[in-house]
Amino acid sequence: DGGITQSPKYLFRKEGQNVTLSCEQNLNHDAMYWYRQDPGQGLRLIYYSQIVNDFQKGDIAEGYSVSREKKESFPLTVTSAQKNPTAFYLCATSAGLAGNTIYFGEGSWLTVV
Amino acid sequence: SQQGEEDPQALSIQEGENATMNCSYKTSINNLQWYRQNSGRGLVHLILIRSNEREKHSGRLRVTLDTSKKSSSLLITASRAADTASYFCATDVPSNYQLIWGAGTKLIIKP
Repeated sequence: DGGITQSPKYLFRKEGQNVTLSCEQNLNHDAMYWYRQDPGQGLRLIYYSQIVNDFQKGDIAEGYSVSREKKESFPLTVTSAQKNPTAFYLCATSAGLAGNTIYFGEGSWLTVV
Repeated sequence: SQQGEEDPQALSIQEGENATMNCSYKTSINNLQWYRQNSGRGLVHLILIRSNEREKHSGRLRVTLDTSKKSSSLLITASRAADTASYFCATDVPSNYQLIWGAGTKLIIKP
């Protein structure tokens, strides 16, 4: 069953806590992305990775960290430095970077409590 | 950074009617893509139109691109309740390794 799996679907974070969102894909895509979406808004790019062991900051990387140790996996850590983390987080993949169709996971809701 | 702007922000029509939404952008593009997002779900790719194309069809979807006006439109014909969703345009800009997204049009189809 090909696709992108994000987990957990819902996550609650206490103030000052780091949390990690998982993203796994079996599409054999080289590029992976993390987007943040606030209610009623468009997508903002947090980080992207073109190949294993390489990743680049997007428009809103502050307070987030990623790793790309395997082609299939691109976890996102929301650190305590991110002061307003409550949002919907989307992981995505594409065969390459420029101009390709992007495939999305089902998203993860993060709420600060 | 966002360069795409969808218009209208929200659209409510009766089932069976046609729905048209527009996307304007600011810089030259390689291609423009439309995506659909059902509430609380991931986005799904609908159609890609390249800068040298003017019109493209896919089922009940018709996309046009006017590079002189830096705008695109998405037409959904004979709308259905299942078309209720938010629709986003995304532009692929030369020398930029990421798509640039608009804020979306929220479409509601009333039964």
